[in-house]
Amino acid sequence: KNQVEQSPQSLIILEGKNCTLQCNYTVSPFSNLRWYKQDTGRGPVSLTIMTFSENTKSNGRYTATLDADTKQSSLHITASQLSDSASYICVVPINTGTASKLTFGTGTRLQVTL
Amino acid sequence: DGGITQSPKYLFRKEGQNVTLSCEQNLNHDAMYWYRQDPGQGLRLIYYSQIVNDFQKGDIAEGYSVSREKKESFPLTVTSAQKNPTAFYLCASSGQVNSYNEQFFGPGTRLTVL
Repeated sequence: KNQVEQSPQSLIILEGKNCTLQCNYTVSPFSNLRWYKQDTGRGPVSLTIMTFSENTKSNGRYTATLDADTKQSSLHITASQLSDSASYICVVPINTGTASKLTFGTGTRLQVTL
Repeated sequence: DGGITQSPKYLFRKEGQNVTLSCEQNLNHDAMYWYRQDPGQGLRLIYYSQIVNDFQKGDIAEGYSVSREKKESFPLTVTSAQKNPTAFYLCASSGQVNSYNEQFFGPGTRLTVL
C-alpha cells in the first residue's frame, strides 16, 4: 500500500532553536518527494521538491534530505522563527499510467514560541 | 496562493442543500484538482481534470460533482448525497498531470453543514 507517514505529529520549540521533521514513505515506484508548508486556514505552499538522485536541498533556513534506499526524508529548520509555526506536509506522487496522484502525509504541526 | 483563487472562504449550508465551490486560476495550467482536508488526515483527492471538458474521479468522489467548461475554472458541487461534507476544501492546479509538475494550491474554502 502506498503510504506516507510523518513524525512527530506535533512539536513545540522555542524561537531560535532548530528542529527536524521526519517522513517515511512506501510509495513505489518513486520519482520525487515534496515538502509543503501550510499555515492554519490556508493552502499548502511548496518548500522543496527532491528527485531520487538528490540527497539534500536547501531553501533558506529549510534543508530537506532524502535517502531513497531507506525511503526516508527529513526537513530541518534552522534558527526557527515565529512565522515557522505551521503544518509541514510530506507528499509523494504515484504514477498511474497517464496521470499522477499525490499521496499526502498527515503533517507535523509545528509551534514556535517565545 | 499564487494565481489560484477560491471563493467563498467560509460557507455554511443546511443539510439537504447542494452548494458549489468556486476555483479559478490564471496560471494557464492544464490540470486542476479538488482535495478535501479533515483534521488528522492527509489531503484526499476528490476529482481532477487534465484538460477542458474532461475530468476523472479521485479517491472520494461520491457525493461530489465537477465541470470543466473553461481552462481557468473548475467548480466543485457538494451534493446532498455527501454524508459528511463539513471539511476544508482545497483546489490546486499544475502545468500537466505528471509527477514532476508541482501543484499550486488555492487558499481553500471551509464548508460547514449546519
